[in-house]
Amino acid sequence: AQTVTQSQPEMSVQEAETVTLSCTYDTSESNYYLFWYKQPPSRQMILVIRQEAYKQQNATENRFSVNFQKAAKSFSLKISDSQLGDTAMYFCAFMKRVHGQNFVFGPGTRLSVLP
Amino acid sequence: DAGVIQSPRHEVTEMGQEVTLRCKPISGHDYLFWYRQTMMRGLELLIYFNNNVPIDDSGMPEDRFSAKMPNASFSTLKIQPSEPRDSAVYFCASSSGGQASNSPLHFGNGTRLTVT
Repeated sequence: AQTVTQSQPEMSVQEAETVTLSCTYDTSESNYYLFWYKQPPSRQMILVIRQEAYKQQNATENRFSVNFQKAAKSFSLKISDSQLGDTAMYFCAFMKRVHGQNFVFGPGTRLSVLP
Repeated sequence: DAGVIQSPRHEVTEMGQEVTLRCKPISGHDYLFWYRQTMMRGLELLIYFNNNVPIDDSGMPEDRFSAKMPNASFSTLKIQPSEPRDSAVYFCASSSGGQASNSPLHFGNGTRLTVT
């Protein structure tokens, strides 16, 4: 079974600074997808970024980028130029390449962006 | 694209009452998932459907919980009888799956259930 670990329950960062959220996972699969979801206080779950395991290039979406280390089974999220609206819970998620029940979420990291 | 629509947004009920949560997935999505979110246990997958058929309900906590998907545009999650420990936020999510799909989950806004 796949597991996803986020070792930082809470983090804070000053506005305009850069912050990195950690995620590690355990799997025996070779083909899979990784995602970061954001959940602001409104509780809506919003997709931030996705990464395909067979792609070596790290995904980037505007101020959000990932550092994907397949051998280390690590998938960290870097937020550059942090904004107050980035304050949220961030969930790392794993999905096996064959779609199905193996969409596993980590416990989340609560990020606070301070003015 | 209206997104995944859940209703109600909030539900407050007394212990022992029946509760029905509703979900309309994104049109064209063939997978539908029900998740429960609590502080203690995080996001838990309860059940998911593929083409309206339940595929895995191993996450359903007990027989008091049941889920149906009578057609491609509607699903319900029912709790009967409800208990205070069922208090949580319940999310519905849908995706366009299939072999080798990288489609992410699209979530509804959730239903916050409070059982007193």
